[in-house]
Amino acid sequence: EAQVTQNPRYLITVTGKKLTVTCSQNMNHEYMSWYRQDPGLGLRQIYYSMNVEVTDKGDVPEGYKVSRKEKRNFPLILESPSPNQTSLYFCASSLGHSSSNEQFFGPGTRLTVL
Amino acid sequence: AQSVAQPEDQVNVAEGNPLTVKCTYSVSGNPYLFWYVQYPNRGLQFLLKYITGDNLVKGSYGFEAEFNKSQTSFHLKKPSALVSDSALYFCAVRDLRWGSASKIIFGSGTRLSIRP
Repeated sequence: EAQVTQNPRYLITVTGKKLTVTCSQNMNHEYMSWYRQDPGLGLRQIYYSMNVEVTDKGDVPEGYKVSRKEKRNFPLILESPSPNQTSLYFCASSLGHSSSNEQFFGPGTRLTVL
Repeated sequence: AQSVAQPEDQVNVAEGNPLTVKCTYSVSGNPYLFWYVQYPNRGLQFLLKYITGDNLVKGSYGFEAEFNKSQTSFHLKKPSALVSDSALYFCAVRDLRWGSASKIIFGSGTRLSIRP
């Protein structure tokens, strides 16, 4: 089944404790992206990747890192999480570089930083 | 800068009535426009998109949307609402200018509630 998977689905952590949220897609998509969803703000793009070893900042990259060493994986790293990073996070992927392609979303990761 | 506005936080419609969820956008170049739906505790699912051509595009679950360049709008519509259409709907835009084509901007979302 074609899908985007994220792990973990739920995470409660404390301020300053490094964490990684994994994202993997099995559709051979070039483009991958991370978003955070907050009430009243919709989805905001954190980072995106056009292909392996190519990443770029979205609109809210502060406090986050990403890497794209393999085509299928695009982990999101929070080196020192803070409470304002409590949010619902989504990974997404799409085929090719064309802007016309729709995205496929993972199920989401709900992160709470105490 | 590109932006997307969904002016209504919530839309309430009786089952069987037509529904409209509004979206307006602002981009410097030509836009690619998308609608996504989010059901509770799920990720977003693609509904439909406008790339070029016919201004009326049809998508999944009987939804359609009309691209209006002069009004910079891309409203989502359905002739007859179902209770199962109740969900959170997001409009999104990609600007075709070089260098910004990979950024995607989402609206704040509209919660659609269909009453039986």
